[in-house]
Amino acid sequence: GNSVTQMEGPVTLSEEAFLTINCTYTATGYPSLFWYVQYPGEGLQLLLKATKADDKGSNKGFEATYRKETTSFHLEKGSVQVSDSAVYFCSSNAGGTSYGKLTFGQGTILTVHP
Amino acid sequence: GAGVSQSPSNKVTEKGKDVELRCDPISGHTALYWYRQSLGQGLEFLIYFQGNSAPDKSGLPSDRFSAERTGGSVSTLTIQRTQQEDSAVYLCASSLEGTSTDTQYFGPGTRLTVL
Repeated sequence: GNSVTQMEGPVTLSEEAFLTINCTYTATGYPSLFWYVQYPGEGLQLLLKATKADDKGSNKGFEATYRKETTSFHLEKGSVQVSDSAVYFCSSNAGGTSYGKLTFGQGTILTVHP
Repeated sequence: GAGVSQSPSNKVTEKGKDVELRCDPISGHTALYWYRQSLGQGLEFLIYFQGNSAPDKSGLPSDRFSAERTGGSVSTLTIQRTQQEDSAVYLCASSLEGTSTDTQYFGPGTRLTVL
């Protein structure tokens, strides 16, 4: 079946540090891949996405590249800010018989200190 | 424009009671989804509606759960004879076409507490 695995958290960083949150997926086809973010007290919102191999999604200084050879979609940011503190979810939409269904990783809590 | 809205934002109920949760999708979106977010299980898919097609109910955890979507717009998720393990945040999302590349836009959720 389809699954998404994220690195375990929580992750605690100082402001301006480099961030990587690992994400790998399993799927029978070629899924679309997403990173969603949940800020404190707010709902889930899309951070970035990539819909085919080698695509790079980017938004708000965050980037992730769809790597088919390693089945990965790692999230990176070169210099984090306190305002990036949130829970980050990697997810996939495998299409096919699972056409509408997003499969989520377990979420990674990020805390950035000044 | 208006996003996905859900009501109520919080619901406290007693074990064994029925509850109804409502979702208003973004206008013009043909696909609507329900997910559940809980500490133990993370984010789980429940059900998916796409246009006039039969819904994908493969994620519903038991026959106590049902959902309908009237007129291709508003959706109601009903949980009968609630149990304590039903306590979670229920999230609704909608997307324009329901394809695998579509972005799903999420509502703020309904926090359900079963005493």
